[in-house]
Amino acid sequence: SQQGEEDPQALSIQEGENATMNCSYKTSINNLQWYRQNSGRGLVHLILIRSNEREKHSGRLRVTLDTSKKSSSLLITASRAADTASYFCATDGRETSGSRLTFGEGTQLTVNP
Amino acid sequence: EPEVTQTPSHQVTQMGQEVILRCVPISNHLYFYWYRQILGQKVEFLVSFYNNEISEKSEIFDDQFSVERPDGSNFTLKIRSTKLEDSAMYFCASSEAGLGETQYFGPGTRLLVL
Repeated sequence: SQQGEEDPQALSIQEGENATMNCSYKTSINNLQWYRQNSGRGLVHLILIRSNEREKHSGRLRVTLDTSKKSSSLLITASRAADTASYFCATDGRETSGSRLTFGEGTQLTVNP
Repeated sequence: EPEVTQTPSHQVTQMGQEVILRCVPISNHLYFYWYRQILGQKVEFLVSFYNNEISEKSEIFDDQFSVERPDGSNFTLKIRSTKLEDSAMYFCASSEAGLGETQYFGPGTRLLVL
């Protein structure tokens, strides 16, 4: 299995609704980061949550981390059409040397106006 | 707000040619990275660089690849003798510190090997 697996793979919602994306990982981590990628573009950092944190907020974003279940969720509230993008979680594993990030497959979010 | 920049945005090359992808990390950052994303696949780590040397590399980063910080601002990825399967988006990233810190990514260079 891959470190950092997101589900669902694709999510389609209406503007104004909330979007929840989940990420699971296999090994112990130092932190988990969420990134956003518009089609064919670069990765935009959204939020970093450390292994000793359980929840973090940034604007309309809420991230939770459950290290006992090795999972994280990203909640986008009051979604907008401009939130349409792919969302990736990335882990910075304790069991790897250095600081490489291991990315998941991503969730493609479509917000319909 | 400071950002990582990359040039060129697109590069087309013939198989067997050498390419150099360039990156300017955020100025006060000390750790630099290259990742790649083959179309439709997930982002994969290639290499990390600190204090003028490679700190970690993945199994993808074989002898075909090399990195360099030729001056105080640029960070380059050289791919010698490109192969068709090297076609991908290549991302540079930088972070202020190493393990546990936010990595900020550039917009990427889309490399197409024909």
